[in-house]
Amino acid sequence: AQSVTQLGSHVSVSEGALVLLRCNYSSSVPPYLFWYVQYPNQGLQLLLKYTTGATLVKGINGFEAEFKKSETSFHLTKPSAHMSDAAEYFCAVSEGVNTGFQKLVFGTGTRLLVSP
Amino acid sequence: DAGVIQSPRHEVTEMGQEVTLRCKPISGHDYLFWYRQTMMRGLELLIYFNNNVPIDDSGMPEDRFSAKMPNASFSTLKIQPSEPRDSAVYFCASSRRHTTNEKLFFGSGTQLSVL
Repeated sequence: AQSVTQLGSHVSVSEGALVLLRCNYSSSVPPYLFWYVQYPNQGLQLLLKYTTGATLVKGINGFEAEFKKSETSFHLTKPSAHMSDAAEYFCAVSEGVNTGFQKLVFGTGTRLLVSP
Repeated sequence: DAGVIQSPRHEVTEMGQEVTLRCKPISGHDYLFWYRQTMMRGLELLIYFNNNVPIDDSGMPEDRFSAKMPNASFSTLKIQPSEPRDSAVYFCASSRRHTTNEKLFFGSGTQLSVL
């Protein structure tokens, strides 16, 4: 069974600073990996995903994540934080290829706080 | 498209009462998911449907919880009787069939408070 671990329930950065949100996964098959963002009082929105191919994936709002199989990681980064990035971020994993639609397993989330 | 629509947005009820949460998925989406979000446990998958058929309900916490999908455009999650520990945000999500994107579209959630 798949699982996801997000290190740090809260991460605080200053506006303009680097954002790094950590995600490690466990999967017995090649995984599909996702980052979702949740703004206050809203549902989750897909930020980016990795399925196959290039291990560095770019998402919306300047975020990117790199799939590192050897480290079983899929950390989310953004070079320069903006106030509007303050939200909760969820890493998720699903089984990989040829199993049709797979259900996602989410991490417990990391709340990003951005200070002026 | 209006997106995934959930109702009500907020529900406050007393312990022992029946609670029904509703969801309208995006038209054309064959998969529907119910998730529960709490501070302690994060986002948990309760159950999901494919073409109105429940596929995996292993996340349903106990017999007090039940979910139905009578047609492609409507699903309900029912808690009977409700308990204070059921207080959480319940999300419904939907997705297309056989898509490599595997993008889930979430509703805005129902905030449930059981007193």
